[in-house]
Amino acid sequence: GENVGLHLPTLSVQEGDNSIINCAYSNSASDYFIWYKQESGKGPQFIIDIRSNMDKRQGQRVTVLLNKTVKHLSLQIAATQPGDSAVYFCAENKGSQGNLIFGKGTKLSVKP
Amino acid sequence: ETGVTQSPTHLIKTRGQQVTLRCSSQSGHNTVSWYQQALGQGPQFIFQYYREEENGRGNFPPRFSGLQFPNYSSELNVNALELDDSALYLCASSLDRGSWDEQFFGPGTRLTVL
Repeated sequence: GENVGLHLPTLSVQEGDNSIINCAYSNSASDYFIWYKQESGKGPQFIIDIRSNMDKRQGQRVTVLLNKTVKHLSLQIAATQPGDSAVYFCAENKGSQGNLIFGKGTKLSVKP
Repeated sequence: ETGVTQSPTHLIKTRGQQVTLRCSSQSGHNTVSWYQQALGQGPQFIFQYYREEENGRGNFPPRFSGLQFPNYSSELNVNALELDDSALYLCASSLDRGSWDEQFFGPGTRLTVL
């Protein structure tokens, strides 16, 4: 499959621990943010999104935090599982324009 | 699986050649976006098509062109291939423009330019 994780920052966690993946976004005018998960050989998969009028949003085992002051986004994964091993990207959008801007990505490795 | 399919899975071309990549969108989706993902990088937006019209373009030269057909499938054409065009090309279909939470990516086409 595709080695999308080559040369990316890596986060290694023990199974069952919580993971925190960070992202600095580029445009202070961006008003919508998404976290994607990309497994080897697959396209990115939507995990969770957040709009700029919120600072926190929770999903199933995942939480996204948004700090607009410092243009920072984080993804928290609770009770990390081996199946969570993948590359995680944040993406931003402004005003529902046609494009998403993706960050550089972080490779998450979960040790059993 | 997302229901978005891309063909071919892999292909190898030489500099100067032309290539056409294909994408079948998920049933009911009228919007297709194309992205280029270099090894170890995040996807970069190439362009988006909505109901057969281009609806936004990223910072790519005119030799990158596209089409969307009445059934909402799409093609990405790249002329005069360069070595730096080697990448994974992803298409994503969505229910509508801006429906990011309902945008589904295909598995990609790996293009190698020699």
